[in-house]
Amino acid sequence: DTEVTQTPKHLVMGMTNKKSLKCEQHMGHRAMYWYKQKAKKPPELMFVYSYEKLSINESVPSRFSPECPNSSLLNLHLHALQPEDSALYLCASSQGLRRSSTDTQYFGPGTRLTVL
Amino acid sequence: SQQGEEDPQALSIQEGENATMNCSYKTSINNLQWYRQNSGRGLVHLILIRSNEREKHSGRLRVTLDTSKKSSSLLITASRAADTASYFCATPPFGGGGNKLTFGTGTQLKVEL
Repeated sequence: DTEVTQTPKHLVMGMTNKKSLKCEQHMGHRAMYWYKQKAKKPPELMFVYSYEKLSINESVPSRFSPECPNSSLLNLHLHALQPEDSALYLCASSQGLRRSSTDTQYFGPGTRLTVL
Repeated sequence: SQQGEEDPQALSIQEGENATMNCSYKTSINNLQWYRQNSGRGLVHLILIRSNEREKHSGRLRVTLDTSKKSSSLLITASRAADTASYFCATPPFGGGGNKLTFGTGTQLKVEL
């Protein structure tokens, strides 16, 4: 199984709502990632979890809150978002090989988020 | 800031033709990776070329790397309509720790029938 799954596929939320994005992989990977991608732009890294610990936070606003309940699951909790947060949110995973630069990332299909 | 700049930004070709896209980067690298993204979907890893390699092939893909010029190119031969996608180069941090990929600006390829 080389698949990363993400739910929901689409999400529309108001600025006062609280919602969560979910990501799951069963490849035994120990690193998981959240990216944000605007239209016609490259993905921008938000967070990295390595062995269930947050290892990288790219100065993301606190209205985005990641959570890694176990090695297979990754959540992104959303609260009080702004319209400019509308984007495609991509989850990825990799083996998490420490001190390795050849750690291939596998991406999920993304969640298309619209903030009204 | 982004590591890689890609050109062209957009490329339109006929099915059967070859497509070449280029990536330039700014700092030393251990390797350079190419990813494909179909419209509004996740990215798919295509190929990785290490800094001590000059050329690598995978099926209809040919990647070259020139570390003296800090540039790489991706050639897709005998293109098909299914190759229509955005293509990104990406580099991990130099010195190890492959977690933080930095993506280039991307090339949008359209292959017409």
